[in-house]
Amino acid sequence: GENVEQHPSTLSVQEGDSAVIKCTYSDSASNYFPWYKQELGKGPQLIIDIRSNVGEKKDQRIAVTLNKTAKHFSLHITETQPEDSAVYFCAASRNTGFQKLVFGTGTRLLVSP
Amino acid sequence: GAVVSQHPSWVICKSGTSVKIECRSLDFQATTMFWYRQFPKQSLMLMATSNEGSKATYEQGVEKDKFLINHASLTLSTLTVTSAHPEDSSFYICTTAPGASDNYGYTFGSGTRLTVV
Repeated sequence: GENVEQHPSTLSVQEGDSAVIKCTYSDSASNYFPWYKQELGKGPQLIIDIRSNVGEKKDQRIAVTLNKTAKHFSLHITETQPEDSAVYFCAASRNTGFQKLVFGTGTRLLVSP
Repeated sequence: GAVVSQHPSWVICKSGTSVKIECRSLDFQATTMFWYRQFPKQSLMLMATSNEGSKATYEQGVEKDKFLINHASLTLSTLTVTSAHPEDSSFYICTTAPGASDNYGYTFGSGTRLTVV
């Protein structure tokens, strides 16, 4: 089955800096890669996603890149703000029909003012 | 957009009792629901997949007789933790599966924090 690895487990940056979180997956049939932000006591919130027919996607300060050959995908947050502090999870699924979502191990991002 | 309503948001129960968690799709039909469990400072781990009108499929290591899943209608899936113990204390969350049209992606409930004392 699918296995998703994520690193780093923790990331501390200064406000205004960029943050990069990387994930690798094992199932070459996976074609949907969402990123979630989870704040304390809450469920995961989708912040951006990418499908395997696209190499990069951007939404304001957030971008995701995908390298299908290497089975890598990354989350890039620019101009970080304290409110970006949270736990971020990458995930992967085949997303064809009713396929389960497999999560990475999570990255705790701390943005210091 | 699609909304999944999950209740309760938190519950405290005594050891040995049972707790039912509900996930309801409000404006669409969910033939498949995934149930995840998240222990503190850990990732979301899939427990089981429920399909409307059929038996749930459980992940390896998840006791099907302890975690009862019922998906009796296209808008409601329930997870019952039977004979709960303190080690069952966790954050439980459901999500619907995207359909073949993939219009909605994965829609998560808001989660249920279970504390067994």
